[in-house]
Order: sequence, then structure tokens, then C-alpha cells
Amino acid sequence: AQTVTQSQPEMSVQEAETVTLSCTYDTSESNYYLFWYKQPPSRQMILVIRQEAYKQQNATENRFSVNFQKAAKSFSLKISDSQLGDTAMYFCAFFYSGGGADGLTFGKGTHLIIQP
Amino acid sequence: DADVTQTPRNRITKTGKRIMLECSQTKGHDRMYWYRQDPGLGLRLIYYSFDVKDINKGEISDGYSVSRQAQAKFSLSLESAIPNQTALYFCATSDLTGLARGELFFGEGSRLTVL
Repeated sequence: AQTVTQSQPEMSVQEAETVTLSCTYDTSESNYYLFWYKQPPSRQMILVIRQEAYKQQNATENRFSVNFQKAAKSFSLKISDSQLGDTAMYFCAFFYSGGGADGLTFGKGTHLIIQP
Repeated sequence: DADVTQTPRNRITKTGKRIMLECSQTKGHDRMYWYRQDPGLGLRLIYYSFDVKDINKGEISDGYSVSRQAQAKFSLSLESAIPNQTALYFCATSDLTGLARGELFFGEGSRLTVL
């Protein structure tokens, strides 16, 4: 079974700063997908960014980018120019395409607080 | 209307009561999931279903049961609720292709409190 570990339960930074959230995972598979989801206080689950394991290039979505280190099984999320609206729980998630059936495996989450 | 609708949104009940959380979707997806979210534990999979005739246990199925009444409906039941089942419950849907893109469509969550 795959596992996803987020070692930072909570982080706090000032508005406009850059922040990096850590995620490591454990799998024996080679073809998989990784995701970061955002959950604001509204409880809504929002997909922030995704990475396909067979792609070496790190994914980027506006102010959000990842540092994907396949050999190290590391998948960190960098948020540049952080904004108050970035305050949320952030979950790292894993999906193995070969299994397919049992959805995503989530980490325990990091509560990110952006201070004004 | 939301693509994935959960009812009730919030519920307070007592130990030993039977509770049903309902989920319906308009996405036409075959795969439906029930997750439980607890502070510090993230989201954990309770049950998932490929279609009406295919129900599978997830990581934490003990104390729960499910019913896939139709492709669009997937209900979660707690036969005899206990306080440690107090949590936020999410229904989600996807198809296999969408899952690989991270397209897991979540409902708005059902907050259950068991006293």
C-alpha cells in the first residue's frame, strides 16, 4: 500500500512571502500521479496542482509550483507571493494508475496560515 | 446545483442511533467514494464503488456500511453510532481517466457529531 507523509502540521508566514510545504510518499510503483489539494475554511476540496511521475519537468500553476524528486519520493509545493486567500489546509495525495480502484491516498495535511 | 450533493450537511446524534449520510451526483461518474476527515489524520477512505454491483472496503470500513442504490446515489450508514465516529464525511466521484488528472469531485461534506 502507498503512504503519503506530510511532516508539517502547521505553518505560518507573512503575506507576500514564499512558503514551501513538504510531502514524501512511499510506493513501489513507477507510473503514478501526485496532487496537492487545498481545503479553505469553506470545507471545499480544490485541486491546486498535479504531477505525472513519468514527467521530469516540475508542474507549475501560476503562483504554485512543485519540486518533484522521484528518486527521493518527495513532492513539495511552493507558493510564491502568498496571499491571505491561501490560508487553508493543504493535502498531498497519490494515485496509482495501475490500481485505479481505490481513489486517492491523502497525507494528513498541513494547515497554512498567511498573516497580514 | 452542485455536481455532488451530500445530505445532511450537519447532524448531531446520540450514541447508538442509526445514521445515514446520502450522496448523489450529476456527473455520470461510475466511481463513488466515501472519505472521513479527522483533524491531524487527513482524509481516509471508508468505502468505494465502481458501479451498483461493485462495493469495496477502504482503509477504515469497520462500523460503516454502504449502499449504491443507483449509479448516481451512494449512501453511507452508521448502524450504531459511537462518539469516535464524530468527523467530517466527504463523498467524492470520478471516472478512471479523470482520477489520473486528480479530478476527484467532492461534495461539500457532512459534519457528524455523535454525543
